[in-house]
Amino acid sequence: EDQVTQSPEALRLQEGESSSLNCSYTVSGLRGLFWYRQDPGKGPEFLFTLYSAGEEKEKERLKATLTKKESFLHITAPKPEDSATYLCAVQAGSGGSNYKLTFGKGTLLTVNP
Amino acid sequence: DAGITQSPRYKITETGRQVTLMCHQTWSHSYMFWYRQDLGHGLRLIYYSAAADITDKGEVPDGYVVSRSKTENFPLTLESATRSQTSVYFCASSDPGTVYEQYFGPGTRLTVT
Repeated sequence: EDQVTQSPEALRLQEGESSSLNCSYTVSGLRGLFWYRQDPGKGPEFLFTLYSAGEEKEKERLKATLTKKESFLHITAPKPEDSATYLCAVQAGSGGSNYKLTFGKGTLLTVNP
Repeated sequence: DAGITQSPRYKITETGRQVTLMCHQTWSHSYMFWYRQDLGHGLRLIYYSAAADITDKGEVPDGYVVSRSKTENFPLTLESATRSQTSVYFCASSDPGTVYEQYFGPGTRLTVT
């Protein structure tokens, strides 16, 4: 069974204090790893897709990286508007199940001014 | 407006009543999904649809019914609501060309009393 574990569950940072969120996964045949951002009362918003170990993607203050067992979401010099829950999801397998995403429980990031 | 919409955004119903949650997308995406999000569980797939008239169960389908007569609509029905179905429900859609990236609606917060 595919498993996704995110850590920490919650993280408080001061504005400008860089840090990383972790997503570790156990799957059979990774097809892709996804990061989403979710603001309170809203649906998840797609951020990145990573397909293979060594791949990196960047968007503003966020950079996502992927290894064979985990992914990191690095946040550089965060601002209060980066406060949100960040979700990691994996897509694995083949054939009829390749649509399915398995989500982690998320990391709640709070950035204080 | 283009995108994915859900209605109602908030719903309170009583145990035993039937309730239908609506989902509409304007992208003509083939794939559509229903998730529920609960504290401690993260996002869990209820049902999905690969195309009009093609639906299948996800991780937690019991007590739910779906239909998809038109590509753009994917309603979710709780035939006899129970308190355990109190949750936030998200609809998502995906382009078959990039099947891994799912785009989410704003959610429906359902309370069953």
